Amino acid sequence: DQQVKQNSPSLSVQEGRISILNCDYTNSMFDYFLWYKKYPAEGPTFLISISSIKDKNEDGRFTVFLNKSAKHLSLHIVPSQPGDSAVYFCAASAGASGSRLTFGEGTQLTVNP
Amino acid sequence: GAGVSQSPSNKVTEKGKDVELRCDPISGHTALYWYRQRLGQGLEFLIYFQGNSAPDKSGLPSDRFSAERTGESVSTLTIQRTQQEDSAVYLCASSLPGVSYNEQFFGPGTRLTVL
Repeated sequence: DQQVKQNSPSLSVQEGRISILNCDYTNSMFDYFLWYKKYPAEGPTFLISISSIKDKNEDGRFTVFLNKSAKHLSLHIVPSQPGDSAVYFCAASAGASGSRLTFGEGTQLTVNP
Repeated sequence: GAGVSQSPSNKVTEKGKDVELRCDPISGHTALYWYRQRLGQGLEFLIYFQGNSAPDKSGLPSDRFSAERTGESVSTLTIQRTQQEDSAVYLCASSLPGVSYNEQFFGPGTRLTVL
């Protein structure tokens, strides 16, 4: 069963506009959520994370929102830049530090100049 | 500083052969993970090492898959009698539990193609 889902395989936005990437999860034991960015032929790189005790975390142009009651999180990128074009993965973990990450299928973001 | 490295970067093998994939984690990272990514899919967890022991190997898909870690450093993932469905990118990650909660640093991956 797919415990973390990213329902949009792709998203295209104009440079300077906001990009919103969405992620849903089913496992209520998840207590930490991360977003990773992946360029072709490279490994995923960590972008931003949020603990389940928070509903928002901001880092520069990137903000992650968590709605626990809806089991939904989103990543906002504003303003979007062409260099942001990549595949974005949502990931979740449960329990103690060191546990596995469960990933969504990824969303290909394309930012057009 | 050096990141996570993996070798080889690409491996093409024939069905039925054994392959060995290597991961060098970031120095000092006690936790090491293997994942795989099939075409068009998300990352799928395989196994987790804390030091040299593997407290979670529940993601290994069959007994053809095994992994070991020595010296709390290098890890090798071995796939015996490879099948075409084993074709994927195999990714290794490492982390320092307790410092950056579950922030895992990934290597570039090994692309395995089984003909």
